[in-house]
Amino acid sequence: AQSVSQHNHHVILSEAASLELGCNYSYGGTVNLFWYVQYPGQHLQLLLKYFSGDPLVKGIKGFEAEFIKSKFSFNLRKPSVQWSDTAEYFCAVKGTYKYIFGTGTRLKVLA
Amino acid sequence: DAEITQSPRHKITETGRQVTLACHQTWNHNNMFWYRQDLGHGLRLIHYSYGVQDTNKGEVSDGYSVSRSNTEDLPLTLESAASSQTSVYFCASSDGLAAYNEQFFGPGTRLTVL
Repeated sequence: AQSVSQHNHHVILSEAASLELGCNYSYGGTVNLFWYVQYPGQHLQLLLKYFSGDPLVKGIKGFEAEFIKSKFSFNLRKPSVQWSDTAEYFCAVKGTYKYIFGTGTRLKVLA
Repeated sequence: DAEITQSPRHKITETGRQVTLACHQTWNHNNMFWYRQDLGHGLRLIHYSYGVQDTNKGEVSDGYSVSRSNTEDLPLTLESAASSQTSVYFCASSDGLAAYNEQFFGPGTRLTVL
């Protein structure tokens, strides 16, 4: 069965700390991977996506993610977080038709 | 600018009542989706549609129904609201079936069933 696992449910960091959020997926075919962000009180917005080519994907606001096929992973990274990065982050995998979302990681950045 | 709107943004209802949540998109997207967001569960797919007159059940479809009579709208109906349906509901749309197509989300509807 298709699934997405985000192992970190809550992360607290200080400003300027580095961030890495884990995402592992289970899917038998060609995958397309997404990270979405939901700022407090707002709707989900796309951070970045991978569908082919360079496994290191750059997104908005300094975020990047690396697709490692052998590990079934698509971890999100940012070298130096800001207070404004406080949000909930969702990893998603898209197979043939549907999107499967992870349970989300709530990031709180302390000023 | 194209967008997805949801109404109402907040709704309080009683157990057993029928409730309809509206979703309207001006992207002219073929695909529309309804999710519910609950703590510890992330987003779970309720129903989805790939075009007019097409509807499909998602992983948590029991107690919900949708209909797609035009491209722009996919209303979600709770036939007989239950307290377990208290949640935040998000509508989303995407263009075509290409794998790289992202979903665009509406602002959400917070539903409380008393």
